[in-house]
Amino acid sequence: DQQVKQNSPSLSVQEGRISILNCDYTNSMFDYFLWYKKYPAEGPTFLISISSIKDKNEDGRFTVFLNKSAKHLSLHIVPSQPGDSAVYFCAASAEFGNEKLTFGTGTRLTIIP
Amino acid sequence: EPEVTQTPSHQVTQMGQEVILRCVPISNHLYFYWYRQILGQKVEFLVSFYNNEISEKSEIFDDQFSVERPDGSNFTLKIRSTKLEDSAMYFCASTRGQGLTEAFFGQGTRLTVV
Repeated sequence: DQQVKQNSPSLSVQEGRISILNCDYTNSMFDYFLWYKKYPAEGPTFLISISSIKDKNEDGRFTVFLNKSAKHLSLHIVPSQPGDSAVYFCAASAEFGNEKLTFGTGTRLTIIP
Repeated sequence: EPEVTQTPSHQVTQMGQEVILRCVPISNHLYFYWYRQILGQKVEFLVSFYNNEISEKSEIFDDQFSVERPDGSNFTLKIRSTKLEDSAMYFCASTRGQGLTEAFFGQGTRLTVV
């Protein structure tokens, strides 16, 4: 049962352009969404989050958009840099306090110099 | 910057042997977690731990698994009798646990069961 889905396993973007990573979820109880970045042989690194009461959160080059009615969120990276090449995981949490994360399958982003 | 640390970084063990994976969460965090990632698959929740007891566990976390916080700093995952399919990256994570806060992950322990 894939409650969090990232339908694009990979994405290639030219350096300087915008990278858009998408994520869909099915569980309407999810109320907190996070994006993590992961390099090989390392743990996931937190990037940015958004709670269900918002539809946008911005932090530097990273912006997350949430469309609750569509159960869809996206991560925008602009401008994309070579160091952004990594696997990006969308994650969601349903319980205040427990905060167990349900992860998507990840999207491998490659930034082309 | 505070971080979650895990040891060892790589553990090779024979099938049927017991392994203990160790983690030192961030000191002022209240919730602790273990996740795993089988090669090529997504990161999966195993167990959450709060106030010295398991708060939730997944169906993966069967009787072969146990967690412990033996002192004020360490958080361990024990697999009693390892199976080949336990081979994965195991990630420890912690959160402040005050609602809507991000989890910080360790760098992981790669467990290889042969």
